[in-house]
Amino acid sequence: AQKVTQAQTEISVVEKEDVTLDCVYETRDTTYYLFWYKQPPSGELVFLIRRNSFDEQNEISGRYSWNFQKSTSSFNFTITASQVVDSAVYFCALSEFNAGNMLTFGGGTRLMVKP
Amino acid sequence: DGGITQSPKYLFRKEGQNVTLSCEQNLNHDAMYWYRQDPGQGLRLIYYSQIVNDFQKGDIAEGYSVSREKKESFPLTVTSAQKNPTAFYLCASSIQGQVVGEQFFGPGTRLTVL
Repeated sequence: AQKVTQAQTEISVVEKEDVTLDCVYETRDTTYYLFWYKQPPSGELVFLIRRNSFDEQNEISGRYSWNFQKSTSSFNFTITASQVVDSAVYFCALSEFNAGNMLTFGGGTRLMVKP
Repeated sequence: DGGITQSPKYLFRKEGQNVTLSCEQNLNHDAMYWYRQDPGQGLRLIYYSQIVNDFQKGDIAEGYSVSREKKESFPLTVTSAQKNPTAFYLCASSIQGQVVGEQFFGPGTRLTVL
């Protein structure tokens, strides 16, 4: 069975600090996809990134970067020079290829960036 | 603009009443999903539909029902059998194919039982 664990339930940082959100997953499939979503106070989930299991290359998008390590089953998300607008709940999710598009979500990490 | 709409944004229900939450998408996606989110928790799948006139139960389907008569629409009914319906409900859609694509989410409906 697939499972996603986000051990950090809440993180508080001061603006301009770097912050890393951890995500650990479990799956028996060799082909799977990992996602990160952002949920701002408005409630709607915003897609950030999708990564397939065969691509371990790290990705950077502006202040956001992702570190995918199959050896530790982790897909961590780092925000560099955090801003108040980054305050949100962040979800990591997993989809096994044989499960179609079904997503299993982690419990989420609430990030609070203080000015 | 393409997207997913959910209505209403806030919904209040008396105990024992059935209520229906609306979800419409104009993204031409085949698959649609309903999730429930409780405070401080992740999303749990209620029902999903991969094609018109077909749907499957998710992890927490008891007390809920759905229909998929049109590709664009996937309404969720919260029945009186759902013992603790107060929650935030999110609808999503995605393409259906060999590549797993991201799900696109609506703005959500916050249901409160009075």
